[in-house]
Amino acid sequence: DQQVKQNSPSLSVQEGRISILNCDYTNSMFDYFLWYKKYPAEGPTFLISISSIKDKNEDGRFTVFLNKSAKHLSLHIVPSQPGDSAVYFCAASGGSSNTGKLIFGQGTTLQVKP
Amino acid sequence: DGGITQSPKYLFRKEGQNVTLSCEQNLNHDAMYWYRQDPGQGLRLIYYSQIVNDFQKGDIAEGYSVSREKKESFPLTVTSAQKNPTAFYLCATRLNYGYTFGSGTRLTVV
Repeated sequence: DQQVKQNSPSLSVQEGRISILNCDYTNSMFDYFLWYKKYPAEGPTFLISISSIKDKNEDGRFTVFLNKSAKHLSLHIVPSQPGDSAVYFCAASGGSSNTGKLIFGQGTTLQVKP
Repeated sequence: DGGITQSPKYLFRKEGQNVTLSCEQNLNHDAMYWYRQDPGQGLRLIYYSQIVNDFQKGDIAEGYSVSREKKESFPLTVTSAQKNPTAFYLCATRLNYGYTFGSGTRLTVV
């Protein structure tokens, strides 16, 4: 049972344009959502997060939007840069067990073309 | 310089052998986690520990074992019972909602 889904395995964007990465979840008890960036053979690095009490969080070029009714979140990168090319994972935390464990989506590979 | 150290970075194992992956942290975080990454899949939780001398199974614990004798250390043993151990293994710590990941260990069964 995939509780967090990233339905687009890959995304290609031109440099300077907006990148939009999407994520859906099924567990309405999730209360915290995070986005990570990952390069091959390295650990994920934290990008941005959002609490379920908010619908938007912005940090520089990165903005995360949360639509609780649709159980959907998205990461916007504006403007996209070639250095943004990586795999992006969304993750969710919370739920009834509240053990702090993260549930990850499958990842979306972003390619930003110069 | 605080962080998580995973060693070795690359590990080769013969079929039927047990192997232990090291994870050491100096962040003073109580909670530690082991995740596995396979191509085209997200990170899946193997085991986690919220405090010393206590740990719980994650979603894919079969064929793995852990120990948490010290706050700083959370080693993962991949046993011969793990049917498909070739993967990228990541260790993480958590403080509140802040998660920190190590740089990972690539395990290959030969």
